[in-house]
Amino acid sequence: KQEVTQIPAALSVPEGENLVLNCSFTDSAIYNLQWFRQDPGKGLTSLLLIQSSQREQTSGRLNASLDKSSGRSTLYIAASQPGDSATYLCAVGASGSARQLTFGSGTQLTVLP
Amino acid sequence: NAGVTQTPKFQVLKTGQSMTLQCAQDMNHNSMYWYRQDPGMGLRLIYYSASEGTTDKGEVPNGYNVSRLNKREFSLRLESAAPSQTSVYFCASRAESSGANVLTFGAGSRLTVL
Repeated sequence: KQEVTQIPAALSVPEGENLVLNCSFTDSAIYNLQWFRQDPGKGLTSLLLIQSSQREQTSGRLNASLDKSSGRSTLYIAASQPGDSATYLCAVGASGSARQLTFGSGTQLTVLP
Repeated sequence: NAGVTQTPKFQVLKTGQSMTLQCAQDMNHNSMYWYRQDPGMGLRLIYYSASEGTTDKGEVPNGYNVSRLNKREFSLRLESAAPSQTSVYFCASRAESSGANVLTFGAGSRLTVL
């Protein structure tokens, strides 16, 4: 059974700092890995999707990397802003027709002005 | 706006009552999912439907039933609610044809069982 872990559970940083969120998974036979953002009381918004054959994906100030062999992914946020404050979830996609996702419990990020 | 719509947004039930959470998507997606989110536990898959007419159990299906009414709609039913089912429920959908796994989520339904 796939297990996904995100450490730390919460992180507080001053505005402008670069930061890294970590995600680890137990089964390296994944289809892809996805990072989501969740604002309080809201649904999830997809940020980046990395296919199993890829090493990284970038979108604006966000960069996600994937190392399947070690079962790790990182989400790098450059020049953090208070608007980045949210919970960030990592999810690993399984093979198969439905491609179910297994989620980590998230990292709650607070960027202080 | 295109997307995934869930109703109701909030619901309070007494133990033993039944209810149905509704989900509809207008993006012509094939796959639909129901997740529950509990504090400190991330999202857990309850049921999913890879295509119209098919449904399968996820990680935590006990106490729930689902219906894929048509391609647009996927409902989740609690036949006899229990306090352990207090949670936030999310519906999601995915377009299979793209080969990608980008899910679109609804805004969530917060359920409290007393």
